[in-house]
This record gives sequence, C-alpha cells and structure tokens, in this order.
Amino acid sequence: GENVEQHPSTLSVQEGDSAVIKCTYSDSASNYFPWYKQELGKGPQLIIDIRSNVGEKKDQRIAVTLNKTAKHFSLHITETQPEDSAVYFCAASPYSYGKLTFGQGTILTVHP
Amino acid sequence: DTGVSQNPRHKITKRGQNVTFRCDPISEHNRLYWYRQTLGQGPEFLTYFQNEAQLEKSRLLSDRFSAERPKGSFSTLEIQRTEQGDSAMYLCASSLESYEQYFGPGTRLTVT
Repeated sequence: GENVEQHPSTLSVQEGDSAVIKCTYSDSASNYFPWYKQELGKGPQLIIDIRSNVGEKKDQRIAVTLNKTAKHFSLHITETQPEDSAVYFCAASPYSYGKLTFGQGTILTVHP
Repeated sequence: DTGVSQNPRHKITKRGQNVTFRCDPISEHNRLYWYRQTLGQGPEFLTYFQNEAQLEKSRLLSDRFSAERPKGSFSTLEIQRTEQGDSAMYLCASSLESYEQYFGPGTRLTVT
C-alpha cells in the first residue's frame, strides 16, 4: 500500500518568512495530493491540492509543487502570519479511489 | 452551506461499553469516509461508502467496528466492547466522487 513520509515534523519561522514542508510517497499509482491544515480541536481543513497532470499550483500565499518522477511534493507558504500556525498534513490518493494516505504532520509555528 | 457535521463531539465511556457516532455529510456528496486520528499522527483510513454501499474496510477496522450508511445519507460508526486503545479522534469526510474530501470536526472518544 501507499506510504507517505513528511518532513520536518516541526518548523518554526518568523512572521513574514517562508515555510516549506516536503512529502514523499511510494505508490506510483497515486495521482492526487491534497494538503490539510488542522487547528487544535478541529478537523483537517483542505487548503490546496494538486493532481498529477500539473507540476505546480498556486493560491495566493500558498503553492504546491509535484515531482512525479522523484515521487515527492512540497507545500510552500510565503509571507507567513501568526494565524498560519497549525499542524499541516500532506496526503496521497490514487485516481478514482478516494482513500487518502496521510503523512505524519508538521507543526508550524509562526512567531510574531 | 453547511459542512460535514459529527455528533457527539466528545464521548467518554467505560471499557467494554458500546458507542455509536453519527456523521452527516455535505448535501449531495455521494462518498463518505471514516478516519481515525491518534495524538500526534495523521488520520488513518477506516472505511468508505459510495452512496449506501460500503466499498472498502481497512484492516484497522476489527470485527468490533461496524459502519452503516442507510439510504446513502448520514452514516453511523459503532464500536462494540470498547478498549482503551480505541481512544482517538474519529473523523468523517465527504466528497463528490473521488477528490476533495471535506472533513467534519470529529468525535473525540475517551475510553476509561
């Protein structure tokens, strides 16, 4: 089955800096890669996703890149703000099959 | 527009008791997923439904666990003879077809 590895486990940045979180996956059949933000006591919130037919996708301060050859994808957050502080999870899923396999999570702390 | 709702939000039970959780998906979403999340980990897939049909169950879902989705609307997850190892956050998500799963706030189960 699919295995998703996520790094780093914790990330601390100053407000205004950029943050990068990286994930690798094992199953070449995976073609959908979402990122979720989870705040304390809440369910995961979908923030951006990418499908295997594109290499990069951007939404305001958030971008995701995908390298299918190397089987890795990354989340980039620019101009970080204190409200970006949360746990971020990457996930992978094969086409037409909705089961998500999640990474272990990254605790992002943005210091004012 | 209402998101995915889950009830109860918190459940404390004694070992050996049965518990049942409910999930109401986003209206018209035909797929519904159950995940379990323990502290410091990413969500782990348990099972999913397409309409009323349960299409896959994880090996994590022992015979003490049962899930239903009558009429393809809300779903229930029952745990019989609870054990302390069942303590976790139980998350429900829904989607239209295979992509973009939206999660509910979760039900936190504590088994004493």
